[in-house]
Amino acid sequence: AQSVTQPDIHITVSEGASLELRCNYSYGATPYLFWYVQSPGQGLQLLLKYFSGDTLVQGIKGFEAEFKRSQSSFNLRKPSVHWSDAAEYFCAVGDGGATNKLIFGTGTLLAVQP
Amino acid sequence: DVKVTQSSRYLVKRTGEKVFLECVQDMDHENMFWYRQDPGLGLRLIYFSYDVKMKEKGDIPEGYSVSREKKERFSLILESASTNQTSMYLCASTRAGAYGYTFGSGTRLTVV
Repeated sequence: AQSVTQPDIHITVSEGASLELRCNYSYGATPYLFWYVQSPGQGLQLLLKYFSGDTLVQGIKGFEAEFKRSQSSFNLRKPSVHWSDAAEYFCAVGDGGATNKLIFGTGTLLAVQP
Repeated sequence: DVKVTQSSRYLVKRTGEKVFLECVQDMDHENMFWYRQDPGLGLRLIYFSYDVKMKEKGDIPEGYSVSREKKERFSLILESASTNQTSMYLCASTRAGAYGYTFGSGTRLTVV
């Protein structure tokens, strides 16, 4: 069965520093991979997605992610973090079925220090 | 602006009550989903629907039911609310064959 692991529950970075959030997946075929962000008290917003092709994908708000099949990873990166990036980040994998279910990781809570 | 609207942001109910959580989308999406979000557990799928009157159980359906009488509306029903159903509930929708979920803002339910 498909699964997603986000090994970091909580990360703190300084404003202006670079960021990398880790995501590992388990899936037999080429996965559909996603990163979502949830600001406090809000629903989830799609940051970026990978279906096929170029393994480095660009998203909104200056985020990017790299698909590495050999490592079963889809890590999210940002070169310079802003205070407004403080939020919870979820990695997800599509189940590949006809009903397009997403399987989510447990999330990484990002805090940004001034 | 397209959206998914959840009728209540905060809800407090008593143990044993029947609770209805409503979700409406204005994008003519075929697929609709109910997730439960708990700290350290991420989002877990309760039920989903891929068409009017069609539904399937997700990973944690126990204690819940759903109703989809119209394409735009997907209701989550707690038949007899219990304290362990205190949680954030998120509704989402997407087109058939697509993974581009649009989420509502969530309903934070407290059962006392």
